Amino acid sequence: QKEVEQNSGPLSVPEGAIASLNCTYSDRGSQSFFWYRQYSGKSPELIMSIYSNGDKEDGRFTAQLNKASQYVSLLIRDSQPSDSATYLCAVNRPQGAQKLVFGQGTRLTINP
Amino acid sequence: DAMVIQNPRYQVTQFGKPVTLSCSQTLNHNVMYWYQQKSSQAPKLLFHYYDKDFNNEADTPDNFQSRRPNTSFCFLDIRSPGLGDAAMYLCATSAGGHYGYTFGSGTRLTVV
Repeated sequence: QKEVEQNSGPLSVPEGAIASLNCTYSDRGSQSFFWYRQYSGKSPELIMSIYSNGDKEDGRFTAQLNKASQYVSLLIRDSQPSDSATYLCAVNRPQGAQKLVFGQGTRLTINP
Repeated sequence: DAMVIQNPRYQVTQFGKPVTLSCSQTLNHNVMYWYQQKSSQAPKLLFHYYDKDFNNEADTPDNFQSRRPNTSFCFLDIRSPGLGDAAMYLCATSAGGHYGYTFGSGTRLTVV
């Protein structure tokens, strides 16, 4: 079992719709969860972090965390073509200094 | 602006010829990381420094070494690059705790 699992996609969503990205993790001791956006050929960019169960909203982005189900999700409202990218879920390893384990990413395409 | 800078952006090296990638930061973060990312794969942690303390991942090949001469700089040395080492190498920093990483722009390594 991978430590962090994501559906690799591709996920295709029409412009203006809601994109929903999902992630599961295996280590129940994980405390911090992150979503990164990565454009092709570029480095990852942090877009959301979440630490507590429930929802966290930032503009068009909402992160959702359910620790009991070991599940993290990212919703993108009013999707724009510029949102087309690979979205990486990252989870910290609870032991020692912070070390993030990344999922392989979900490739999202927003169709105009 | 405070940032993480990687040089060079693109590096071509010959099979078996040692190569060094560099990373510098102006964030004054304690922790610096090196990740390897191959096409359509998750970033894979190679090692990290917590201040001067070096931490190697168990599955990082001996071919990969790292140096951190001071807080600002960190280097990745590949002693004898093979074709399988062609990848994007990502340097990241963190203030630790619940904070996410700040990534540099990455170095794309090609082995010929």
